[in-house]
Amino acid sequence: GDSVTQMEGPVTLSEEAFLTINCTYTATGYPSLFWYVQYPGEGLQLLLKATKADDKGSNKGFEATYRKETTSFHLEKGSVQVSDSAVYFCALSAGNTGGFKTIFGAGTRLFVKA
Amino acid sequence: EAGVTQFPSHSVIEKGQTVTLRCDPISGHDNLYWYRRVMGKEIKFLLHFVKESKQDESGMPNNRFLAERTGGTYSTLKVQPAELEDSGVYFCASSQVWTVNTGELFFGEGSRLTVL
Repeated sequence: GDSVTQMEGPVTLSEEAFLTINCTYTATGYPSLFWYVQYPGEGLQLLLKATKADDKGSNKGFEATYRKETTSFHLEKGSVQVSDSAVYFCALSAGNTGGFKTIFGAGTRLFVKA
Repeated sequence: EAGVTQFPSHSVIEKGQTVTLRCDPISGHDNLYWYRRVMGKEIKFLLHFVKESKQDESGMPNNRFLAERTGGTYSTLKVQPAELEDSGVYFCASSQVWTVNTGELFFGEGSRLTVL
């Protein structure tokens, strides 16, 4: 079945460092891809998305490009801030006979030190 | 506009007891989903309602779990009797019908269940 694999954390970076969180997926169809973020004490919220191959999603300085050839959707940010400390979830959504189901990876916790 | 709200935020019960979790989706969202995250692992799909109908319940672990959505508004997830492995964070999410094909979900803060 469909699945998402993302790099294990935690990831610890200093402020202004470059961030990459790897994400690869397996899907039989043509899924939409997402990154969700969960800040401490809050629910998950959508960070960015891409709905077709070669699309780039971006938000708050974060970017991810939908790579069909490598089945990847890696999250990047050029300069992280302390406020970016959170858990990041890669996810895909694909249709099935019952509707659309969103499938999540295990999450990667990011700590950013001042 | 109010977001997705879940209650309780944290519940501690003993093995064999019953717990009912509640989710109020964003007003007007016909799609409602329940997910669970256990021990820092992936967030696993439990089930999907479209209005009051169960569209997909393939993720429900066993018959100790019962989800309802009477009237197509709020939903409840009951665990009876609870077992130790049911501990985790239960997330509820909702979405509008016209965004279902992009999969974007609006999540609540989750209900943390601890079974002792």
